Amino acid sequence: GAVVSQHPSWVICKSGTSVKIECRSLDFQATTMFWYRQFPKQSLMLMATSNEGSKATYEQGVEKDKFLINHASLTLSTLTVTSAHPEDSSFYICSAWGPPLPENIQYFGAGTRLSVL
Amino acid sequence: SQQGEEDPQALSIQEGENATMNCSYKTSINNLQWYRQNSGRGLVHLILIRSNEREKHSGRLRVTLDTSKKSSSLLITASRAADTASYFCATGDNFNKFYFGSGTKLNVKP
Repeated sequence: GAVVSQHPSWVICKSGTSVKIECRSLDFQATTMFWYRQFPKQSLMLMATSNEGSKATYEQGVEKDKFLINHASLTLSTLTVTSAHPEDSSFYICSAWGPPLPENIQYFGAGTRLSVL
Repeated sequence: SQQGEEDPQALSIQEGENATMNCSYKTSINNLQWYRQNSGRGLVHLILIRSNEREKHSGRLRVTLDTSKKSSSLLITASRAADTASYFCATGDNFNKFYFGSGTKLNVKP
């Protein structure tokens, strides 16, 4: 149980275009979803926390208008990288949690590798 | 930054040997967790230890926590080639937000 699906797994786009990444909880209702960014050979940096039905809370230094997060349902959150540029190229990972899953454990998607040309 | 540091950054051992990874963090925590990441993939939860616990076991994994030193260690006993991955510690706050350490890349040679 507690499966999180992330799509697409890999996307290549041209500079200036927008890219949408989906994160779905397949067998539980995710009241909270988290979005992380990971640079090569580095750790995960928390970008934002989203609770279903409310606005996402962004970490310091993360541009809200650049990384649009929508958590409109209990099973789906989306991250849209707007007007992507090469420096946005990275590995993006989502995680999710919802009751009655054990607290303090997040369930991760497989990640999305974004390459901006 | 609340992120922690892990050492070593990379560890290469022979199959059957034990692997020890350390994690240090900066702030007070509610719990500390260890995750595993295979190359280019998501993370898999391994074990959670709460701030009032000192040691925890799960199969071949042993985790210790020293809150006075703000440090934790993960021991993998009798390692296997399939244990090759990156290992991250993550500290959780009261809002269930995680802050990940820098990770240890473990290579277990068959």
